[in-house]
Amino acid sequence: QKEVEQNSGPLSVPEGAIASLNCTYSDRGSQSFFWYRQYSGKSPELIMSIYSNGDKEDGRFTAQLNKASQYVSLLIRDSQPSDSATYLCAVTDSTGNQFYFGTGTSLTVIP
Amino acid sequence: SQTIHQWPATLVQPVGSPLSLECTVEGTSNPNLYWYRQAAGRGLQLLFYSVGIGQISSEVPQNLSASRPQDRQFILSSKKLLLSDSGFYLCAWGTGYRRNTIYFGEGSWLTVV
Repeated sequence: QKEVEQNSGPLSVPEGAIASLNCTYSDRGSQSFFWYRQYSGKSPELIMSIYSNGDKEDGRFTAQLNKASQYVSLLIRDSQPSDSATYLCAVTDSTGNQFYFGTGTSLTVIP
Repeated sequence: SQTIHQWPATLVQPVGSPLSLECTVEGTSNPNLYWYRQAAGRGLQLLFYSVGIGQISSEVPQNLSASRPQDRQFILSSKKLLLSDSGFYLCAWGTGYRRNTIYFGEGSWLTVV
């Protein structure tokens, strides 16, 4: 399988701070890149997708992609306790059909 | 809007028993369909994916199999469960277009005892 690497954490940030999550991937042919959030005992839910180099912002979330460095990140501004979850990075293969996930980074936002 | 249903939500099965998990999607046609497994404290492992009826791709060798008897139905099966099959099984559907995005069902917790 293709490799997707994430720091497992745990990452702890105070409420209102910026949380920074990172991900690297091995397949230079990867087409699409995603961040999912998974609460304990629940299924993953899509937060953001990004397809081209640069930044993409959606509310408090910003995804950043650098294909040359095979690196994708997620910034969460004004972190809230409800953001406490595991964040999964996912990348597709060159066809865009197969999705490969990292092991996730556990984030705790401290009130 | 599209919805995905997966069942059963929880099951406890003895070693050597068969398994059948079912997943259906509503509100779309010809979706990509996926089965993932998440072992305790681990990442999502892609088991099978399908881009159409009768088209199943397997990612890893195992004692599991998948079938897609209808366009929006995806079934995960085993003839004889192993202890190592325990985990959280997730079905997902994808749009299948150039910017394919996948969405997960609620998952099935399997404990093999």
